[in-house]
Amino acid sequence: QQQVKQSPQSLIVQKGGISIINCAYENTAFDYFPWYQQFPGKGPALLIAIRPDVSEKKEGRFTISFNKSAKQFSLHIMDSQPGDSATYFCAASKPSGGSNYKLTFGKGTLLTVNP
Amino acid sequence: GAGVSQSPSNKVTEKGKDVELRCDPISGHTALYWYRQRLGQGLEFLIYFQGNSAPDKSGLPSDRFSAERTGESVSTLTIQRTQQEDSAVYLCASSLNYYGYTFGSGTRLTVV
Repeated sequence: QQQVKQSPQSLIVQKGGISIINCAYENTAFDYFPWYQQFPGKGPALLIAIRPDVSEKKEGRFTISFNKSAKQFSLHIMDSQPGDSATYFCAASKPSGGSNYKLTFGKGTLLTVNP
Repeated sequence: GAGVSQSPSNKVTEKGKDVELRCDPISGHTALYWYRQRLGQGLEFLIYFQGNSAPDKSGLPSDRFSAERTGESVSTLTIQRTQQEDSAVYLCASSLNYYGYTFGSGTRLTVV
């Protein structure tokens, strides 16, 4: 059972364009939604995260939009740059037993930003 | 250390051999996680350690997989009688609190 569905699998954007990656979740108990960025040969790195008490969070060129009723959240990368080319993973977690912050990940989106 | 350290970075082993992967978490991080990433796939949860609590082993794919952690320090993931389908990148992460993991760079395991 895939609890976090991510789309698209791959995305090609021109430099300066907007990259949009979408995720949908099933478990309404999820209450923490991070996005991770992974470059080849490296581990994923936390990019930005949101809690469901807000509908949007912006950090520089990166914005998360959150729709609690639709159980969807998305990552928007404004003014995309070739250096943004990487694999992006959405994730979700819920407190379990008060201490288990296990993340459930989407399958990832390979973003290529052409110069 | 400054980050999560994993060793070895690459491991090639023959089918049927046992392998041991090591993770050094960030000092003071109470939680430690192992994930598996197959080529072109997402991250698959394997096991979670939190302090002295019993580990959450719900993601281990078979009894060939086991992991240990000494207190809040080093963890080892052991795969016995390796199979070709075990080939993947094994990622370790540690965290202090609710907000985000820090991942290591992973161990790329190739079973030939």
